Formats: sequence, C-alpha cells, structure tokens
Amino acid sequence: KQEVTQIPAALSVPEGENLVLNCSFTDSAIYNLQWFRQDPGKGLTSLLLIQSSQREQTSGRLNASLDKSSGRSTLYIAASQPGDSATYLCAVGDDYKLSFGAGTTVTVRA
Amino acid sequence: SQTIHQWPATLVQPVGSPLSLECTVEGTSNPNLYWYRQAAGRGLQLLFYSVGIGQISSEVPQNLSASRPQDRQFILSSKKLLLSDSGFYLCAWSGPSGSNNEQFFGPGTRLTVL
Repeated sequence: KQEVTQIPAALSVPEGENLVLNCSFTDSAIYNLQWFRQDPGKGLTSLLLIQSSQREQTSGRLNASLDKSSGRSTLYIAASQPGDSATYLCAVGDDYKLSFGAGTTVTVRA
Repeated sequence: SQTIHQWPATLVQPVGSPLSLECTVEGTSNPNLYWYRQAAGRGLQLLFYSVGIGQISSEVPQNLSASRPQDRQFILSSKKLLLSDSGFYLCAWSGPSGSNNEQFFGPGTRLTVL
C-alpha cells in the first residue's frame, strides 16, 4: 500500500521568501504525481502533474521535481506572496487512483 | 472547457437519515469519476471510483454506496447516516484510462451528521 508523507505539516514565511515543500512516498512504482492547492473550505486545485517518466514540471513561479528512485518530490514556489497561503497536497497515482499526503499548510506573512 | 459541479454545497442531516450527493461533469466524455472524503484533521480518502456507466469500485467498506446512472453523473448515497459519515466530500474526474490521469476536483459538499 502506498504511503505518502509531507513534511513539514505547517510552514510560515515572510513575503518574498522561496518556499520548499517536501513529499515522500514508499512505493516507487508510480504512474504520476500531482500537486494540489486547497484553500479553507474549498475543493482542490491542480497545480502540477509530473508523469513517472519526467523529472520536473514548471508553471510560472512553481516548479516540481520528481525522484522516483528515492521516493521524493519537491514543490518550489518562488518569491512567495500572501495569496500563496493555503494547504498544499501531494498525491501519488497508479493507473487510476491517487494516494494523498496529509498536506503542508503554508502561511505567507505580508 | 471542462467543469465539475457538486451539490448541495452544505448539508446537515440527523443520524439515521438517507443521503444523496450528486456530481456532474461537463465538457468531456467517458471520464473516470471519483468520490473522496476528507475528515477533519485527516487526509483525503478514496471512497469509490468508476470507469464507466454502471461500473463502481469500492475502496473501503462503509455505510455508503455510489452509482453512475449516466456517463457524466456520479451519485453518493446512504440509506442511514452515521455520525462518522460527517466530513467534506469531494468528487473528481480524470480522462479515460490510458490518458495522463490528471484529476480535477469539484467544490465539495460539507456534510454534518448530528
């Protein structure tokens, strides 16, 4: 059974600082890995999808890396803004299911 | 573009009452559909998924059931709610099996069982 861990559980940074969010998983036989953002009381917004054959994906200020052999993914958010405050979830996929981590709650202080 | 709808947004129900939550997807055909539950302080748990009309797979034994009467409609039901059924229910869709399987989530339904 796939186990997904996200560390730290919470993070508070001043505006402008770069964010580094970590995700680890126990079974390296993955189909893909997806990063999501969740605002309080809302659904999930897909940020980045990395296929198992890829090493990284970029979208604007976001960059996600994937190292299957070590069972790790990292989400980088450059030049953080107060609007980046949210919970970020990592999810590891097989061919149809996602296994989620518990998330990292980020607060960006103005 | 694709859109996913869920209703109701919020629901308060007494223990023992029935439940019906609905999810519909627009702008795509033959999607895979999913129901997740997010309990307070816990991660998302996959409850059911469906790869086609009438095809339902259950991930955990529980008090709930799911149905897919139409290609883009997914319904979560219960005959008698328990206190432990409280939580945030999320519906999601992805492309058919063999696609890149990126999942997209709806706005969710907050269920409180009293």
